Amino acid sequence: QKEVEQDPGPLSVPEGAIVSLNCTYSNSAFQYFMWYRQYSRKGPELLMYTYSSGNKEDGRFTAQVDKSSKYISLFIRDSQPSDSATYLCAMSGYSWGKLQFGAGTQVVVTP
Amino acid sequence: EAGVTQFPSHSVIEKGQTVTLRCDPISGHDNLYWYRRVMGKEIKFLLHFVKESKQDESGMPNNRFLAERTGGTYSTLKVQPAELEDSGVYFCASSPGTGIYGYTFGSGTRLTVV
Repeated sequence: QKEVEQDPGPLSVPEGAIVSLNCTYSNSAFQYFMWYRQYSRKGPELLMYTYSSGNKEDGRFTAQVDKSSKYISLFIRDSQPSDSATYLCAMSGYSWGKLQFGAGTQVVVTP
Repeated sequence: EAGVTQFPSHSVIEKGQTVTLRCDPISGHDNLYWYRRVMGKEIKFLLHFVKESKQDESGMPNNRFLAERTGGTYSTLKVQPAELEDSGVYFCASSPGTGIYGYTFGSGTRLTVV
């Protein structure tokens, strides 16, 4: 079993819809949770990060962490074609170390 | 501020040859990481430098891989001899001493071993 599970998609939504992404994990030591966006031929770009459980909002993006269920989510409101990319969840047990990634979900927002 | 720079962006080599990948981190970032993504798999950690010291090399697949960070600045990752299964995208990332929230990735080196 992988430490981090993420549906690879693709997930296709019409422009303006809400994009809902999620990951599950098995390692209860994870405390730091991140979402990255990756465009083709580019490196991952940090979108959101959360420490422990709770919600965090930044513009059109909302990240949620439920440690009791070992489940994290990312919501993108009012999606735009420029949001089309691969979204990766990542997590770590400590603040300065290696990240454990999910496989990434490909999102396509159609005009 | 310049980002994390990796080169070459793409390398095609024959099985058995040697390839050296280079990463220039963001200036002042003490932490430097190497990751790779092989086809169909998730991005996986290879190793972590703090300045010139290897903090964690638990992800290095075998002794054909050698990473160095002389002087605590740029880093190289050498694969010798390369095997077919080494094909993939190798990412470098750097972060300041304050931790992973400052993680910045390079665009990666796409390695193809034929």
